[in-house]
Amino acid sequence: NAGVMQNPRHLVRRRGQEARLRCSPMKGHSHVYWYRQLPEEGLKFMVYLQKENIIDESGMPKERFSAEFPKEGPSILRIQQVVRGDSAAYFCASRGGMNEKLFFGSGTQLSVL
Amino acid sequence: QQQVKQSPQSLIVQKGGISIINCAYENTAFDYFPWYQQFPGKGPALLIAIRPDVSEKKEGRFTISFNKSAKQFSLHIMDSQPGDSATYFCAARGTSGSRLTFGEGTQLTVNP
Repeated sequence: NAGVMQNPRHLVRRRGQEARLRCSPMKGHSHVYWYRQLPEEGLKFMVYLQKENIIDESGMPKERFSAEFPKEGPSILRIQQVVRGDSAAYFCASRGGMNEKLFFGSGTQLSVL
Repeated sequence: QQQVKQSPQSLIVQKGGISIINCAYENTAFDYFPWYQQFPGKGPALLIAIRPDVSEKKEGRFTISFNKSAKQFSLHIMDSQPGDSATYFCAARGTSGSRLTFGEGTQLTVNP
């Protein structure tokens, strides 16, 4: 039973490019959360999705950032026109149904040059 | 009101000693308090969690103490080992299914 899978592990983009981060939740999990972590800081909530629905996007910047979790396939966090301040580790986490335990992936380290 | 404050920022303990990390929260609607352990280059891993209806929970060398009236909870690591060296995050969650709010993390170093 594979855990939460994120890819790519490392992503390098130049300013102005687009970044796409993928997350496949654990098998049977339909709830996905995205968090951002800056060096030596805690995890900051960005968005919470259930299959095909955004439940809470209060932590996600209104501009340039979007997220989706389609009926089929992984959840995608998309950052358009990246800036240096977007450089961070982005973690995806999933849980199943009424289970409160949240399982994290290994993250995507985004570096913006 | 959504904040979770964690201390200390860093902690150095000798092998065999007790590591204690503290967290405080403000939102009385929080009803679930997990602790996560994170190694460099890895995602956080759930260590132990507690609900406010109990004052203590123990799993192996790890214990959570919970003080509802003070709105504080702490992680105790007994017989700390060098392999415990990692960053530890406390967290809190409100209504079921909502997001976790994390503390800023404590970098624990256990010296051999």
